[in-house]
Amino acid sequence: QVQLVVSGGGVVQPGRSLRLSCAGSGFTFSGYAMHWVRQAPGKGLEWVAVISSDGNHKYYANSVKGRFAISRDNSKSTLYLQMNSLRAEDTAVYYCVRVGDTRHFDYWGQGALVTASS
Amino acid sequence: QTVVTQEPSLTVSPGGTVTLTCTANTGAVSSNYYPSWFQQKPGQAPRALIYGATNKHSWTPARFSGSLLGGKAALTLSGVQPEDEAVYYCLLFFDGAQLWLFGGGTKLTVL
Repeated sequence: QVQLVVSGGGVVQPGRSLRLSCAGSGFTFSGYAMHWVRQAPGKGLEWVAVISSDGNHKYYANSVKGRFAISRDNSKSTLYLQMNSLRAEDTAVYYCVRVGDTRHFDYWGQGALVTASS
Repeated sequence: QTVVTQEPSLTVSPGGTVTLTCTANTGAVSSNYYPSWFQQKPGQAPRALIYGATNKHSWTPARFSGSLLGGKAALTLSGVQPEDEAVYYCLLFFDGAQLWLFGGGTKLTVL
């Protein structure tokens, strides 16, 4: 079965960096585009970034452009989100999401909490 | 600034029918926006329900259906069950900007 496991969350001071990982299993990871979506405490969902299956195409929400970088290592079936210059407003649960055979969002990881606070 | 809007909250009786809608301030929502719908229960990750406006995932219960209605994307629940109480989010794709935007979510109460 498809599984997406997010790791790397934690507490970090504003201005510092953190990298999230999302390990995929149960499917051919290299064949699927992937997204990151976040959710601030008590708030709605916010799309963050997407990467194509081969890693050559990447797009970002304006709120993170220039600070966050999405990448993937298909040999390790792992998606990454490098988050630099973190701000208090980046505090959220971060989910990785697969783009399925339907070319739409299908499976979601369990999420990881990132807290940017001094 | 592009904004996607949903009803903040709706209430439905068990066994009843309710329709949630999703609009964009850029104009009428069409299939070109590839509307999707997601269900999120407290403490859980969201779950995909509908994609491409009307298509169900293999796990989507039959009582959920999606449509395009008067320039809006819509999610209809027929024969609502208590376990359908959740927050529902729509998602639209804006091709020109390569941007995906979620609506603010509709909190559905089954009462």
